[in-house]
Amino acid sequence: GAVVSQHPSRVICKSGTSVKIECRSLDFQATTMFWYRQFPKKSLMLMATSNEGSKATYEQGVEKDKFLINHASLTLSTLTVTSAHPEDSSFYICSASYRGRNYEQYFGPGTRLTVT
Amino acid sequence: KQEVTQIPAALSVPEGENLVLNCSFTDSAIYNLQWFRQDPGKGLTSLLLIQSSQREQTSGRLNASLDKSSGRSTLYIAASQPGDSATYLCAVRSGANSKLTFGKGITLSVRP
Repeated sequence: GAVVSQHPSRVICKSGTSVKIECRSLDFQATTMFWYRQFPKKSLMLMATSNEGSKATYEQGVEKDKFLINHASLTLSTLTVTSAHPEDSSFYICSASYRGRNYEQYFGPGTRLTVT
Repeated sequence: KQEVTQIPAALSVPEGENLVLNCSFTDSAIYNLQWFRQDPGKGLTSLLLIQSSQREQTSGRLNASLDKSSGRSTLYIAASQPGDSATYLCAVRSGANSKLTFGKGITLSVRP
């Protein structure tokens, strides 16, 4: 149990366009969803935390107008990278937690974004 | 501010060896600690979660220990196999549903 999916797994887009990444908890209702970014050979960097129906809480240095997060339901959160630039190319990973498992975080498989 | 350190950054061992991966954290006031595995280009798989009140957790060939007062955790892998080759990440949480603070990971290579 506790499976988290992400879609798409890979996406290539042109500079200036926007791209949306979906994160779904498949077999549980997530209390909270988290969005991370990972650079090559670096640790995961938390971008934002979101609870269903409320605004996301962004970490310091993360532009909320550039990385739009919508948490429409207990099983779905989306991250939209707006006006993408090559420096936004990265590996984006979401996770979901719920109270029933001591808030253990379950991670999605990640999305590789390449901006050309 | 919590900081998590994992040293060394990389480790190579022959198949069959028992090994220990270390993790240290600066603030001992944690809620729990998780060990994850990450394969190249993939997401994270949770291996073990230790609550702050626990000393260790076991799953198959894996055993994780926690010494909260000294700010340390270890992941013990018994009888290592080439399939264990991956990056192992340690992360701590300060509150019940707070964010995870990650170490940079240890990239393990198990040679056949």
